[in-house]
Amino acid sequence: NAGVTQTPKFQVLKTGQSMTLQCAQDMNHEYMSWYRQDPGMGLRLIHYSVGAGITDQGEVPNGYNVSRSTTEDFPLRLLSAAPSQTSVYFCASRGTNQPQHFGDGTRLSIL
Amino acid sequence: RKEVEQDPGPFNVPEGATVAFNCTYSNSASQSFFWYRQDCRKEPKLLMSVYSSGNEDGRFTAQLNRASQYISLLIRDSKLSDSATYLCVVRAHMNYGGSQGNLIFGKGTKLSVKP
Repeated sequence: NAGVTQTPKFQVLKTGQSMTLQCAQDMNHEYMSWYRQDPGMGLRLIHYSVGAGITDQGEVPNGYNVSRSTTEDFPLRLLSAAPSQTSVYFCASRGTNQPQHFGDGTRLSIL
Repeated sequence: RKEVEQDPGPFNVPEGATVAFNCTYSNSASQSFFWYRQDCRKEPKLLMSVYSSGNEDGRFTAQLNRASQYISLLIRDSKLSDSATYLCVVRAHMNYGGSQGNLIFGKGTKLSVKP
């Protein structure tokens, strides 16, 4: 049982580049979320999904897109990377009324 | 007022000490409560859920006071391995304000247990 798998673990981008952070879970969880964690800011919700085909914005959605074509996958897209998006990104999933399970995180640096 | 507030920390304690973390939340519709632990450069991991009647798991005791909107975590007989950041987490009811039952995280309190 792999749980929540995020790739890549590390990435360096140049300003203006685009990329997709991958997230997959094998627990058949309905809920999936993306967070970013910055020093002194705690975990902030970017986007979330309550099921395949359904996504919604969280607290800090600007500059990010998501899609949920399957229950298992919830990729996060940066369309045009900016230095302000340098952060650690965590994907998470949970079942109904269950605690959240997190992936290992992706450390992203935008130069 | 922030939705979830925690002691600012850091807490530096000797091995064997008892340490208490406090947390307050602003949304009275919050329905689920958790403590997560996060080690340096790692992902948050569930430490324990918090139930209305209070609950204990070994050296860890969690308490909830709904009237005061207050949650606590007590660690007895601290170990070096308890050194981490402890995150207070609440979840509102599914249908409250369009929250879809999302989790709200406190900023965390860092604990360092010294020999």
